[in-house]
Amino acid sequence: AQSVTQLGSHVSVSEGALVLLRCNYSSSVPPYLFWYVQYPNQGLQLLLKYTSAATLVKGINGFEAEFKKSETSFHLTKPSAHMSDAAEYFCAVGYPGGYQKVTFGTGTKLQVIP
Amino acid sequence: GAGVSQSPSNKVTEKGKDVELRCDPISGHTALYWYRQSLGQGLEFLIYFQGNSAPDKSGLPSDRFSAERTGGSVSTLTIQRTQQEDSAVYLCASSSGLAGATGGDTQYFGPGTRLTVL
Repeated sequence: AQSVTQLGSHVSVSEGALVLLRCNYSSSVPPYLFWYVQYPNQGLQLLLKYTSAATLVKGINGFEAEFKKSETSFHLTKPSAHMSDAAEYFCAVGYPGGYQKVTFGTGTKLQVIP
Repeated sequence: GAGVSQSPSNKVTEKGKDVELRCDPISGHTALYWYRQSLGQGLEFLIYFQGNSAPDKSGLPSDRFSAERTGGSVSTLTIQRTQQEDSAVYLCASSSGLAGATGGDTQYFGPGTRLTVL
C-alpha cells in the first residue's frame, strides 16, 4: 500500500533562510508525487508534482523538490524563505493507471520568523 | 476560469440535526473527491466520484454520511444526525479524471466548509 510520511508537523525558519520540508514515500511501483500548500482558511493548491520525467521538479513561488528513488524521498526546498511562505504543506503520493487514490501526508506547518 | 466552489463556507448546527454541504467542481472535471480535515489531522479521504458514480466510498466513516453527484457536476455531502466529532473542515476537490486515471491528476480544491456541531 502506498503512504507518505512527513517528518515534523511544525517547522520554523528565519526569513531569508533555507526551507526544507521532508517527505518520504512508500510505494511498490514508480509513484506520482505532489506537494500542495494550504494558506489559512483556504483549500489546497498544487505547488509541484513529479510524474517520472525530470527528478528535480520546479514549482511555483520558488519551491523545488527532488525525487530520490534510493532514499524514497521527495523533500521540498526553497533557498530563501519569505514571510508569505507561512502556510501548511502537504506531500501526497499516487499511482499511475486507472483509478488510484492519492494519499496525503499529515502536513507540515511552516512558520517564518522575521 | 472559475475554480471549485463550496457552500456554505461555515455551518453551525446542533447535535442530531442533518446538514448538507455543496460542491461545484470545475466545469468539465469528471472526478470529484470529498475530504475531511480535522484540527491537527491530515486530509481524510471520504469518497470519490467519476461522473455520477461513486466507485470508492471507502472513506465514509459511518452510514450517517452519504453523498451524491448529479449531472456529472454538483455534489452534495449529507451528514445525518450530526455528532460533535463530525466538526471539521470538509474539502471538495475535482480533477480532470480523463479515462478514469486519477493517480497523477492535479486536484483542485475548494475553500472548504467549516462545520461546527454544538
